[in-house]
Amino acid sequence: DAGITQSPRHKVTETGTPVTLRCHQTENHRYMYWYRQDPEHGLRLIHYSYGVKDTDKGEVSDGYSVSRSKTEDFLLTLESATSSQTSVYFCAISDRTGAGNEQFFGPGTRLTVL
Amino acid sequence: SQQGEEDPQALSIQEGENATMNCSYKTSINNLQWYRQNSGRGLVHLILIRSNEREKHSGRLRVTLDTSKKSSSLLITASRAADTASYFCATASGGSYIPTFGRGTSLIVHP
Repeated sequence: DAGITQSPRHKVTETGTPVTLRCHQTENHRYMYWYRQDPEHGLRLIHYSYGVKDTDKGEVSDGYSVSRSKTEDFLLTLESATSSQTSVYFCAISDRTGAGNEQFFGPGTRLTVL
Repeated sequence: SQQGEEDPQALSIQEGENATMNCSYKTSINNLQWYRQNSGRGLVHLILIRSNEREKHSGRLRVTLDTSKKSSSLLITASRAADTASYFCATASGGSYIPTFGRGTSLIVHP
């Protein structure tokens, strides 16, 4: 978890409210990712970023948006949270593409949508 | 959708025994990685094996890759209670550098 922090670590919110999760890195890595982890589906990619202001969709992007205005920060926003978005959210970073793309993960945010 | 699928889903062994987990995947890969996740924590990278490699070692870990069978195995020798965790394989294929993760194998090592 060194060099990557996520905030908040736990959040309970109600259906229909907006939620923003923050990922902060001190490693100056170019690539950042948001995943969600669910027991029945495993780890799935939501969005990723390949540079400041450069983002793209992952496998399960519906209902989520992201922003990256600085190298060190990657924000995930649920515009109007739904119960299906109850999950554990992980941020990850990496510095290389191709054959050497090891990812480093943050500690996770447990989100509950009531 | 998962590219890699781990087998077994759960594994329970005694301390000192070896633990073997397998990963099968569907399409040609650039590389395959193994990660560990302790309960309530983020994933930690263990080892990466490239498509042109057949075996790699790191401490008590041994990873093999058989591209003809589209499968990989992770062997943990002389397991310890601290090895209790979930283990995931992740594959990167085609033009994508982003790994796709399986659902994982839950390993319990009894002291």
